[in-house]
Amino acid sequence: GAVVSQHPSWVICKSGTSVKIECRSLDFQATTMFWYRQFPKQSLMLMATSNEGSKATYEQGVEKDKFLINHASLTLSTLTVTSAHPEDSSFYICSARGTSASNIQYFGAGTRLSVL
Amino acid sequence: DAKTTQPNSMESNEEEPVHLPCNHSTISGTDYIHWYRQLPSQGPEYVIHGLTSNVNNRMASLAIAEDRKSSTLILHRATLRDAAVYYCILRNFGSGSARQLTFGSGTQLTVLP
Repeated sequence: GAVVSQHPSWVICKSGTSVKIECRSLDFQATTMFWYRQFPKQSLMLMATSNEGSKATYEQGVEKDKFLINHASLTLSTLTVTSAHPEDSSFYICSARGTSASNIQYFGAGTRLSVL
Repeated sequence: DAKTTQPNSMESNEEEPVHLPCNHSTISGTDYIHWYRQLPSQGPEYVIHGLTSNVNNRMASLAIAEDRKSSTLILHRATLRDAAVYYCILRNFGSGSARQLTFGSGTQLTVLP
């Protein structure tokens, strides 16, 4: 199956700093990528849909100025958590949809963010 | 997307088959049934999907009821590595390319040695 690479897998940062997470589709082009967040013992919650060459679409309640998304190419999307605070500590997961009509989504391994 | 209902948790013994049920009574004719699983501290992994007919792949089998209002994911021989949360998700074939997968709470599968 298609491969989605997410980096870093784990990051610790101080409160007030910014953290960038990269998501790459390794063997296919992804015009659309998705960013999810998952708190402990909970399911995945969609944060935003990232569209190549245009602005991301954010879900209700997600601050677009805090979670900056850039999708500059067909294989790379980045999520930047700006001025991170302890409540932003979570598991962030990116996903890209395959090109077949079945609409299978492929997921990165996730990034564990801990804000001190 | 139509809603699915799954048991919160299930247990299985190692090397025995596992049948994970999913109810989707409001499914529409153009909804695909997708199954994903999430191992601890990992992103979700695609397992299988189908529309009307039963499906088999190297990971699992998907049995779809004739009225499509329920489906069952079958793991033929559970291993300890199959312990994960299994999500049953409906995805509309007619959705625009930007439509995302919406995750419910899934079924936590515990495999006992």
